[in-house]
Amino acid sequence: EPEVTQTPSHQVTQMGQEVILRCVPISNHLYFYWYRQILGQKVEFLVSFYNNEISEKSEIFDDQFSVERPDGSNFTLKIRSTKLEDSAMYFCASSRDRASYTFGSGTRLTVV
Amino acid sequence: EDQVTQSPEALRLQEGESSSLNCSYTVSGLRGLFWYRQDPGKGPEFLFTLYSAGEEKEKERLKATLTKKESFLHITAPKPEDSATYLCAVLGGSGGSNYKLTFGKGTLLTVNP
Repeated sequence: EPEVTQTPSHQVTQMGQEVILRCVPISNHLYFYWYRQILGQKVEFLVSFYNNEISEKSEIFDDQFSVERPDGSNFTLKIRSTKLEDSAMYFCASSRDRASYTFGSGTRLTVV
Repeated sequence: EDQVTQSPEALRLQEGESSSLNCSYTVSGLRGLFWYRQDPGKGPEFLFTLYSAGEEKEKERLKATLTKKESFLHITAPKPEDSATYLCAVLGGSGGSNYKLTFGKGTLLTVNP
């Protein structure tokens, strides 16, 4: 069964450093997403991406965040200057038709 | 703003003891209600999508139903391997925002042997 692959599985970074979280969506999917889950809280929408541009973003997704699909297979989330409150599980998801969504296993980001 | 509330927050069952999880929602323009299973440290794993009131879907020991205001996930004769957090999410929104999932906090199900 096709999978969404995320790397790394765990990333530890110092406050103020830049991090890039990587995702390989399912190959025939067209819509890409990032969600995050702070420990003990709900899974929250960050951003959706279609046709090489952001189609929607949440209030969380401020100027410190950016997304990119650099080579037609990878989908990345960059946090420019990490804060302690950015510590969370970050999930990538993809969809072929916006009717079903496949999630990756997540990257646990720990900001120290 | 879309809202999803799941209850109970945690449920402990004995193996074979059937029960139901509840998901109540408010959303404008519901495009789908999703159930996911999440194991510790993993991403949500898709179970079901329901689109309209009255719809039901089944998979092994799980059955999901939908009304205009809530959805139920019925677990029949659960086994220890059904232990997980079950997440409910709605696809919908207002102001043109119709394709983001809004999740509930989930129900942590523990099935004891």
